Parts: sequence; structure tokens; C-alpha cells
Amino acid sequence: GAGVSQSPSNKVTEKGKDVELRCDPISGHTALYWYRQSLGQGLEFLIYFQGNSAPDKSGLPSDRFSAERTGGSVSTLTIQRTQQEDSAVYLCASSPPPRGRNQPQHFGDGTRLSIL
Amino acid sequence: SQQGEEDPQALSIQEGENATMNCSYKTSINNLQWYRQNSGRGLVHLILIRSNEREKHSGRLRVTLDTSKKSSSLLITASRAADTASYFCATDLEEGNEKLTFGTGTRLTIIP
Repeated sequence: GAGVSQSPSNKVTEKGKDVELRCDPISGHTALYWYRQSLGQGLEFLIYFQGNSAPDKSGLPSDRFSAERTGGSVSTLTIQRTQQEDSAVYLCASSPPPRGRNQPQHFGDGTRLSIL
Repeated sequence: SQQGEEDPQALSIQEGENATMNCSYKTSINNLQWYRQNSGRGLVHLILIRSNEREKHSGRLRVTLDTSKKSSSLLITASRAADTASYFCATDLEEGNEKLTFGTGTRLTIIP
């Protein structure tokens, strides 16, 4: 079946511009996560959506970052007034409804964002 | 700061040898997971071990968990060139929601 889909796969933009990154999770998955991965580094948690609950935004690095999840499915991560330090790979993951909290996450291939 | 730290940061071995990677974490966990990431791709889930388990096997993979030492190890036996990738541990904190906190990763290179 279809996996997690992210678009675009690559994005190059000028400093100061706004960008939108999209994530299509696996159908039926209630949880959706956004992570940021800088070159050669681990994953940095950004935001987590679970069903209709209020999202956990504790990982967003600044108020320039925001995310929405419409209809419990597709999510958009928006970065306003981009800075060069925002350059990274942005990864999205989804997981099925929690059953004792032991659910693996399924990742997309990410969006590689480069800020000039 | 990172909850998990993998050790070593990089590892190169000959094809056919066994590879061992270690992960340490700081706070009590609900479960620990290992993921693989090939270059330019997303992460792929390998194995999950719960906090009340000590060892788990999946094919050529063996994972151990020592909650008293807050550490885990991933052993890949009879390595293959296709095992070349970065490996990350991730923890699901006991107190909190389902989000995972990832370690810094081990870059594994299998030399044919």
C-alpha cells in the first residue's frame, strides 16, 4: 500500500521567503509527526498531532514555524521568513491508532529545504 | 538535548562480520525502538522493545535492553553490503505522549 508521501522532495528558496511543506500520511493513521534533521544529525522533534486532540507543539523552534492538519489527514508545515539555519531535511511520520502506545512510526522520504 | 546517544558514531566492518551499536538514554521509558536510514531516505522501523523486555530478535537483528543502565544494543549478525546505513535508537518516554525522542545515530559501513 501507499506509504507516507511528502512534497516537494526538494525546495530551494531565498532567505526571508515563506515555505509550505506537505505530508500525506498513511490512510487510517491517526498520529502524525514532523521532525527536522540537519546534515549528519539525528532527528529533532517539531510537532505531533493525535486524532482530534490539541497538537503537541513543544518542539517548534520559533513562532515562524507552524503546522496544520486538516480533516485529520494531510498536514502542512509552514515556515515564515525563512532563515539560513532553517536549511535541513524535514521528515514526516505517521502511526496507527495507539494500542498501548507501542506503535512504530512510518516515515516519508522528507523534504530537503535549502535557504540561500 | 538528545535523549539518546548512540555509540559509536561511525562503524566500518567487513561483510560477514557482526556489527554492534549501543544506545544510552536519560529518563525512564515506555519502549525503545531502532530505526534504519539509508542515505537520502526516510527512516525505516526495525524493532521495538518494551521496557519490561530484556531481549528481542528479528531475523539477523538482536536487541537488548538494560533499564537499570538505561542502555540498549543492536546487533546485526552476518552483515551484508545492504546493511550500510545510519541506525538510530528512539525512546517513548514513560511520562508523556507517544512522540519519540531520537538519538544521534551510528553510521554503519559494510565493506564488501
